[in-house]
Amino acid sequence: EVQLVESGGDLTQPGRSLRLSCAASGFTFDDYAMHWVRQAPGKGLEWVSSITWNSDTLVYADSVKGRFTISRDNAKNVLYLQMDSLRLEDTALYYCAKGVDTVTTGGWFDPWGQGTLVTVSS
Amino acid sequence: SYELTQPPSVSVSPGQTAIITCSGDALPKQYAYWYQQKPGQAPVLVIYKDTERPSGIPERFLGSSSGTTATLTISGVQAEDEADYYCQSPDISGTYAVFGGGTQLTVL
Repeated sequence: EVQLVESGGDLTQPGRSLRLSCAASGFTFDDYAMHWVRQAPGKGLEWVSSITWNSDTLVYADSVKGRFTISRDNAKNVLYLQMDSLRLEDTALYYCAKGVDTVTTGGWFDPWGQGTLVTVSS
Repeated sequence: SYELTQPPSVSVSPGQTAIITCSGDALPKQYAYWYQQKPGQAPVLVIYKDTERPSGIPERFLGSSSGTTATLTISGVQAEDEADYYCQSPDISGTYAVFGGGTQLTVL
């Protein structure tokens, strides 16, 4: 069974940093691109970032470009999201999701983890 | 930036058909995908590549696409189908994922 378990969410202040992790199991991790999607409280889904299987291609939403960095460790089956210069509007539940193949960043996401909550507040 | 437009809400009675649309300029060239999200739960893929249904998704969930509009049709709606539904599709380059604003389906 495919499992994705996010961790690292916390309450933090504007301008600080956090690193999210997503532990993957039940599939061959380096056969797939991976993604981060967030959902602010009571709001819709917002794609954040995607990474291809070998980390050659990294893509970001304009809202996080230059502040967030996606990465992965294929030896450990873990996806990361380094979040710097956090803003109030980054408050959200952050989901990781499995992609459709090694390189497609615009494909569908299946499955999703349960999410980890990031709260940015002064 | 590229946008996908969905109606904020749709309401139907049990047994009726719910139709949820998603409009976007790149849809003639890009596939649409649909997710169901129930309160407190992660989204679940219900349709991919416009019309394909993942294993375990009931046959009453149907996807279609024509021109700049993709459509999710739920036939014989059941109370358990009450949820938020999101469309997703890449931008014209195929690189960046985009979500619609979501549609709240209410089963009366």
